[in-house]
Amino acid sequence: EAQVTQNPRYLITVTGKKLTVTCSQNMNHEYMSWYRQDPGLGLRQIYYSMNVEVTDKGDVPEGYKVSRKEKRNFPLILESPSPNQTSLYFCASSLFQGGAEAFFGQGTRLTVV
Amino acid sequence: AQSVTQLDSQVPVFEEAPVELRCNYSSSVSVYLFWYVQYPNQGLQLLLKYLSGSTLVKGINGFEAEFNKSQTSFHLRKPSVHISDTAEYFCAVSNGGYQKVTFGTGTKLQVIP
Repeated sequence: EAQVTQNPRYLITVTGKKLTVTCSQNMNHEYMSWYRQDPGLGLRQIYYSMNVEVTDKGDVPEGYKVSRKEKRNFPLILESPSPNQTSLYFCASSLFQGGAEAFFGQGTRLTVV
Repeated sequence: AQSVTQLDSQVPVFEEAPVELRCNYSSSVSVYLFWYVQYPNQGLQLLLKYLSGSTLVKGINGFEAEFNKSQTSFHLRKPSVHISDTAEYFCAVSNGGYQKVTFGTGTKLQVIP
């Protein structure tokens, strides 16, 4: 079954404690991206990757890092989380960007206290 | 730069009534347009997409959308809604290729029994 898997689904952490949210896809897609979803703001792209070792900033990259060492994995790293990063995070992958359908993970609800 | 406007944040409608969810976009070049649906506690799922060709696009679950280039709109319609259509709907636009996808702020469809 084609899927994008994120872990964990729920996470509560304290300010400043580094964390990683993992994302893995089994469709051999080149393009992967991270979004955050906040009430009234829709989805905003954090980072995206067009292939292994190729990443670029989206609309709201501050406070986040990513890496793409393998085609299937695209982890999101928060080096020093702050309360304003409390949000619902989605990972997505597609064969290519633009006109291709994006497959989304189930989401990770992060709370930073 | 591209943008998407979903003017209606919430749309209540009675079961079996028709519904239209509005989406307007702006872009300086040709576009690809998408509608995604998000059910509670789930990721986004593609409903339909317009890439080229016929301006009337049919999607899953009985939804359809019409691309209107002169009005820069891509409104989503369903002739008769069901309780199970209660969800949040996102319109998105892309310029294609490896260009990013921009999402609207979402419209919550509430179907009333």
